[in-house]
Amino acid sequence: DSGVTQTPKHLITATGQRVTLRCSPRSGDLSVYWYQQSLDQGLQFLIHYYNGEERAKGNILERFSAQQFPDLHSELNLSSLELGDSALYFCASSVEGQGASGELFFGEGSRLTVL
Amino acid sequence: TQLLEQSPQFLSIQEGENLTVYCNSSSVFSSLQWYRQEPGEGPVLLVTVVTGGEVKKLKRLTFQFGDARKDSSLHITAAQPGDTGLYLCAGAGYSNYQLIWGAGTKLIIKP
Repeated sequence: DSGVTQTPKHLITATGQRVTLRCSPRSGDLSVYWYQQSLDQGLQFLIHYYNGEERAKGNILERFSAQQFPDLHSELNLSSLELGDSALYFCASSVEGQGASGELFFGEGSRLTVL
Repeated sequence: TQLLEQSPQFLSIQEGENLTVYCNSSSVFSSLQWYRQEPGEGPVLLVTVVTGGEVKKLKRLTFQFGDARKDSSLHITAAQPGDTGLYLCAGAGYSNYQLIWGAGTKLIIKP
């Protein structure tokens, strides 16, 4: 158990819909990262928040948005969903603001299926 | 743009065999991490290598960071079915604070 909690674990929805994925980081971790992983692929970095502020953006589509709340949990919002958005979405947290040098702790992921 | 290339992309071997997977780049990294991801789970950190030429051992797994800090290898001795998973390397650059991820090596160890 990494201490990172993601909900929901599975989500099936239709094209054009909007979903929200939720992440609670490990206790004490200020950084939250979101990643997308398509079938048998590596991790695509989406966005990084540190203590409520956006720190870096990766290959995140304009249809996607995220935020980190004062209690440090984070939400990833995916809208106008397309078939190609079907993937595993991981949240990771770390102690450091500059997460590159520190260990990332990953949740179990949210599997999104768009039909 | 910093890139990390992992090879092979896929490897299926028999239990008891040895194997090496590679993580290569033309860029220099301040440190490099190796993660293992099992089906249905998130990646879990195995090791971080920081110093050029560094070798770290984790039971049957040996990790090496290249002298020039541009590449790394993971060697598994006497592979076991429990080693099955996706092995990901991730490098930390000097000019930004985000990890650069390789695409992974999918390893299957057959009993």
